[in-house]
Amino acid sequence: QVHLQESGPGLVKPSGTLSVTCAVSGGSMRRSDWWNWVRQSPGKGLEWIGEVSHSGTTTYNPALKSRLTISIDKSKNEISLKVNSVTAADTAVYYCARGGDYGVLKNALDVWGQGTKVVVSS
Amino acid sequence: DIHVTQSPSSLSASVGDRVTVTCRASQNIGDYLSWYQWKRGTAPKLLIYGASNLQSGAPSRFSGSGSGAIYSLTITNLQPEDFATYFCQQTYSTPYSFGGGTQLEIK
Repeated sequence: QVHLQESGPGLVKPSGTLSVTCAVSGGSMRRSDWWNWVRQSPGKGLEWIGEVSHSGTTTYNPALKSRLTISIDKSKNEISLKVNSVTAADTAVYYCARGGDYGVLKNALDVWGQGTKVVVSS
Repeated sequence: DIHVTQSPSSLSASVGDRVTVTCRASQNIGDYLSWYQWKRGTAPKLLIYGASNLQSGAPSRFSGSGSGAIYSLTITNLQPEDFATYFCQQTYSTPYSFGGGTQLEIK
């Protein structure tokens, strides 16, 4: 059974770059998988950040697109998220999740990590 | 962008009760609607996909319904482990959006 584990810096300074990694274990990264990033800011709901396919194609949330880079490293079974020029508004728990089954699951996110908390503060 | 409105934002109920949570999308999302359960400090868990399909491993007391732009999650015979936060998500078009969440509390 696939397991996802996020890891991150914990604390990032304003205007810096937030980097979070998601390690995939217990199964393979299938060609049909799309790997999503989702975040939850304090006291707020969930926000979809973007996704990356097995081949590296990305789709980003337009609200964040100018500051985002999502990538996949199949040799390491990892997905990465980078957010540039961060502010306090980027303080959140960052989750990775697997999607991509547009047929049966209608692209529901069927496996999630437990999330990693990142605080933006000087 | 598709906006999803979830109601209620919080709900108090007792063990054995039946509760319903609703999500309204700003347009037809063709059953591309999922429901998740989340407990603090744990990974969100997929309960329902495609509006009405029970995910493997999810208890049968959870059910989903709806079509077009309006969808519901119903939990019958509430169990102690069901007290958690529930949220919906549309995956019809990007940016995929979530409802605001419903916190289900013990009365």
